[in-house]
Amino acid sequence: QSVLTQPPSVSGAPGQRVTISCTGSSSNIGAGYDVHWYQQLPGTAPKLLIYGNSNRPSGVPDRFSGSKSGTSASLAITGLQAEDEADYYCQSYDSSLSGSSVFGTGTKVTVL
Amino acid sequence: EVQLVQSGAEVKKPGESLKISCKGSGYSFTSYWIGWVRQMPGKGLEWMGIIYPGDSDTRYSPSFQGQVTISADKSISTAYLQWSSLKASDTAMYYCARIAAADTEHIDYWGQGTLVTVSS
Repeated sequence: QSVLTQPPSVSGAPGQRVTISCTGSSSNIGAGYDVHWYQQLPGTAPKLLIYGNSNRPSGVPDRFSGSKSGTSASLAITGLQAEDEADYYCQSYDSSLSGSSVFGTGTKVTVL
Repeated sequence: EVQLVQSGAEVKKPGESLKISCKGSGYSFTSYWIGWVRQMPGKGLEWMGIIYPGDSDTRYSPSFQGQVTISADKSISTAYLQWSSLKASDTAMYYCARIAAADTEHIDYWGQGTLVTVSS
């Protein structure tokens, strides 16, 4: 069981805004470690969406944004599009795991 | 262009050994950590461990310590993940990935994945 908890699923109509939470603790997000987000389309390798809490790599649309506060982080998708239907994972470092990174439990985004 | 090319799918029996590979190109292989990530069928991503090919410094997630061995041969820009005795529960897709920055451990490039099936 991951130490970073995400909702199993979120959904929204095209054009809407959805948010995905990533809840951690004082040994990971709350300790100040950065949070990163990945998108995994069906049958493909994950792709980096957000790094360092709120930074977008080149080529990632500005519809995707990240934030962090306390022991949680969030990924927001505005102007939801059909191609955004995918699994999304957060990632951070956890000092209680002998110094290891960990992924969140994952969230399936469905575009209605 | 940065590329991580993994070895092909494997079908093995319980108790057999296996070593899968990940060849990096398009960047200085010895200057970036390489990580391995497991994804069991229909499940989420799991961080297995990382290796720095420059000096073979290796760090395992507690869940995988003692279960697998991560290694690298910098002379051929290749990282490896190996098992000495496979179990059915090792059936999964395994991804190698380049760690963009050592202080944050976020992944900027992924391999295409190697599907390992363990079945009697």
